[in-house]
Amino acid sequence: AQSVTQLGSHVSVSEGALVLLRCNYSSSVPPYLFWYVQYPNQGLQLLLKYTSAATLVKGINGFEAEFKKSETSFHLTKPSAHMSDAAEYFCAVSEYKGGSEKLVFGKGTKLTVNP
Amino acid sequence: GAGVSQTPSNKVTEKGKYVELRCDPISGHTALYWYRQSLGQGPEFLIYFQGTGAADDSGLPNDRFFAVRPEGSVSTLKIQRTERGDSAVYLCASSSRRGGGGTDTQYFGPGTRLTVL
Repeated sequence: AQSVTQLGSHVSVSEGALVLLRCNYSSSVPPYLFWYVQYPNQGLQLLLKYTSAATLVKGINGFEAEFKKSETSFHLTKPSAHMSDAAEYFCAVSEYKGGSEKLVFGKGTKLTVNP
Repeated sequence: GAGVSQTPSNKVTEKGKYVELRCDPISGHTALYWYRQSLGQGPEFLIYFQGTGAADDSGLPNDRFFAVRPEGSVSTLKIQRTERGDSAVYLCASSSRRGGGGTDTQYFGPGTRLTVL
């Protein structure tokens, strides 16, 4: 079964600093990977996804992630943090077999942006 | 267009009571998913519908949980004899299933926060 590990339940950065949120996956088949963001009291919004095209994936709000098969990683980055980036971020891997399809999520990383 | 909507946004009930949570997916989306998010955790899969049928209900924790999607659009998650451990945010998502094979984007609703006293 697929699984996702997000290192660091809380990450704090200063406004304008680099954002790096870590995600490692375990998958027995070629993985499809997703990053979602969740603002307080809201549902999850897709930031970006990797579906085996380009290994560097660009998403919304200036975020990007690089798929590294050798490291089984899909870390999320943003060059310069903005106050509005404060939220919880979830990495997920798609598990699909026998006509079923579901997302397996990590536990999430809460990002705080300090002024 | 309208996104995924869920009602109610909050539900407080007493232990042992029955609750129903409703999900309206994006129009035209054939796939619908329910997830449960406990405090401090990522969402956990409950059930997946393709059209009217439950293609995968392996995530339902026990037989107190049941979900239906009779006309292939709106879905209702039903919980019988609620327990305090059922308290969580219940999220619904839908997708168009155009790509298939695990690549489709799931669009999430805002969730229903269930509190069992």
